[in-house]
Amino acid sequence: KNEVEQSPQNLTAQEGEFITINCSYSVGISALHWLQQHPGGGIVSLFMLSSGKKKHGRLIATINIQEKHSSLHITASHPRDSAVYICAVSGGGADGLTFGKGTHLIIQP
Amino acid sequence: DADVTQTPRNRITKTGKRIMLECSQTKGHDRMYWYRQDPGLGLRLIYYSFDVKDINKGEISDGYSVSRQAQAKFSLSLESAIPNQTALYFCATSALGDRGQYGYTFGSGTRLTVV
Repeated sequence: KNEVEQSPQNLTAQEGEFITINCSYSVGISALHWLQQHPGGGIVSLFMLSSGKKKHGRLIATINIQEKHSSLHITASHPRDSAVYICAVSGGGADGLTFGKGTHLIIQP
Repeated sequence: DADVTQTPRNRITKTGKRIMLECSQTKGHDRMYWYRQDPGLGLRLIYYSFDVKDINKGEISDGYSVSRQAQAKFSLSLESAIPNQTALYFCATSALGDRGQYGYTFGSGTRLTVV
């Protein structure tokens, strides 16, 4: 079974700071997903990647397949970025997604 | 309308009651999933279905059952609800994308409280 670890569990930062959230997994995968969950809200898919790097607006996701590690970066963070960010992996012998426990991010004005 | 719709959004029920959570999708995806989210534990897979005639148990299926009534509908039932089934429940769909990987779409969640 794939083990997905995220760090940090909680992160509080000031508006404008550069944010990094890390994710590591134990078994080879077909894809890694970064998800966003706002308080009381549903889950939105931010990125799906299997190699390299993807960018969408102020969000950047990278993955290193050899090291089984991914990072999610937020540039010029804003209070509206406050949410739980969840790393999940697909493949690795499992059906569906295997999730990390999430990183609770708070951006203070 | 949302691509994946869950009803109800919130529900409070009593121990021992039967309750059904419903999920419908307009994505046209064959694969559908029910997940449960608990604080500090992340999301865990309850049941999944790869098409109308296919039902599979996930990691934590005990105490739950499902029905895939049509490609677009996947319902989760708690036959006799108990307090430790209090959680946030998510329905999700997936389909194979252009690059041979499965992309996922989630519903807005159902917050279930069993008292």
